Amino acid sequence: SQQGEEDPQALSIQEGENATMNCSYKTSINNLQWYRQNSGRGLVHLILIRSNEREKHSGRLRVTLDTSKKSSSLLITASRAADTASYFCATDSQGGKLIFGQGTELSVKP
Amino acid sequence: NAGVTQTPKFQVLKTGQSMTLQCAQDMNHEYMSWYRQDPGMGLRLIHYSVGAGITDQGEVPNGYNVSRSTTEDFPLRLLSAAPSQTSVYFCASSINPYTGAPPGGELFFGEGSRLTVL
Repeated sequence: SQQGEEDPQALSIQEGENATMNCSYKTSINNLQWYRQNSGRGLVHLILIRSNEREKHSGRLRVTLDTSKKSSSLLITASRAADTASYFCATDSQGGKLIFGQGTELSVKP
Repeated sequence: NAGVTQTPKFQVLKTGQSMTLQCAQDMNHEYMSWYRQDPGMGLRLIHYSVGAGITDQGEVPNGYNVSRSTTEDFPLRLLSAAPSQTSVYFCASSINPYTGAPPGGELFFGEGSRLTVL
């Protein structure tokens, strides 16, 4: 069974709004990563947060990690139409065996 | 810098045929992996390798073989294709997750190989 589960499965917002996606996982992890996938393309790494970190920022991205609840969230601030994509969390619990969630499909309407 | 290159991009097979999906990376990454992506299932790990000569099974290894004779290449073999193997296959690589700095590093993905088995 997959390690990560993402919520919501789909999210539709207007340009300029914030988008929040959540990821829950089952076992203890070394790190958690977020990836983005544009339609028909490969995945692109966005950000990595280690198990001893609680929050990380990268540009308009903010990731939080709560290991006690086994959950993470990805916040995209001031969304743009170009942010339309699928977003996946991935957990590393066995030194590189990266297991992905099912993804959140984000649609940002101009 | 080509990154991770997958061939072919599209392939149609008949049930029972065999084929090999090729993956090559030019970043000197020790870690390479294969995933399949199906609608509603996200990405599932098929096989992975932490270095030449070393491979291991992922979540869904049945029906697939891999080998790693060089650092650059990690081919995925389907010995007898089945309709259930219709999917999009992604190859990905990274620094060695055990010894790299930082460990468990980011994956670099190819553009995918779309396989249909009739």
